[in-house]
Amino acid sequence: GAGVSQSPSNKVTEKGKDVELRCDPISGHTALYWYRQSLGQGLEFLIYFQGNSAPDKSGLPSDRFSAERTGGSVSTLTIQRTQQEDSAVYLCASSLGQPRLNTEAFFGQGTRLTVV
Amino acid sequence: KNEVEQSPQNLTAQEGEFITINCSYSVGISALHWLQQHPGGGIVSLFMLSSGKKKHGRLIATINIQEKHSSLHITASHPRDSAVYICAVIVGRSRGGADGLTFGKGTHLIIQP
Repeated sequence: GAGVSQSPSNKVTEKGKDVELRCDPISGHTALYWYRQSLGQGLEFLIYFQGNSAPDKSGLPSDRFSAERTGGSVSTLTIQRTQQEDSAVYLCASSLGQPRLNTEAFFGQGTRLTVV
Repeated sequence: KNEVEQSPQNLTAQEGEFITINCSYSVGISALHWLQQHPGGGIVSLFMLSSGKKKHGRLIATINIQEKHSSLHITASHPRDSAVYICAVIVGRSRGGADGLTFGKGTHLIIQP
């Protein structure tokens, strides 16, 4: 597709269950980012993938959160043993290169996760 | 103190009014994004700029690197402009997470018909 695609668009899960969120970046984009936006809060950086380099995981809030990027393309964000405070919109973005090179980031529509 | 501050936090205006949203930042940056987020949560990048001014349709973005300030203007505002507008900066040196974007908290804009 032409843009960043995320699935599912909405996910309701029970507390304690694991969830997987998927991001399909724009073809050819080497950089991929995951962000989280909790209700009433600004966007929060979670993790950053750049090409084949080790990801920058400095924003992951706990060890229940993990992400991988297979083949330098699709990424999956996994949240284990979900908690109610994990409820948020999870946004994925991709760009051609590193932001320090002033490349524009393109965002997906987000996955709205609700933990009940 | 947040590194990126936006004002106002909330703005309600009448259709047709000229809108200004401000963004100030306290760190050295290489570029700045203005993003638009509609109620469904999806985000659209409006502008990325590192100097001067850009215009797209009724939207104008300016940045003053020396003053560490950017503004987003909407001319002839319309109810469909109602959204959250987010300022995000690209920090010039690497630290935890800083190869991504640092975001302001957003400005909630409502344009009433």
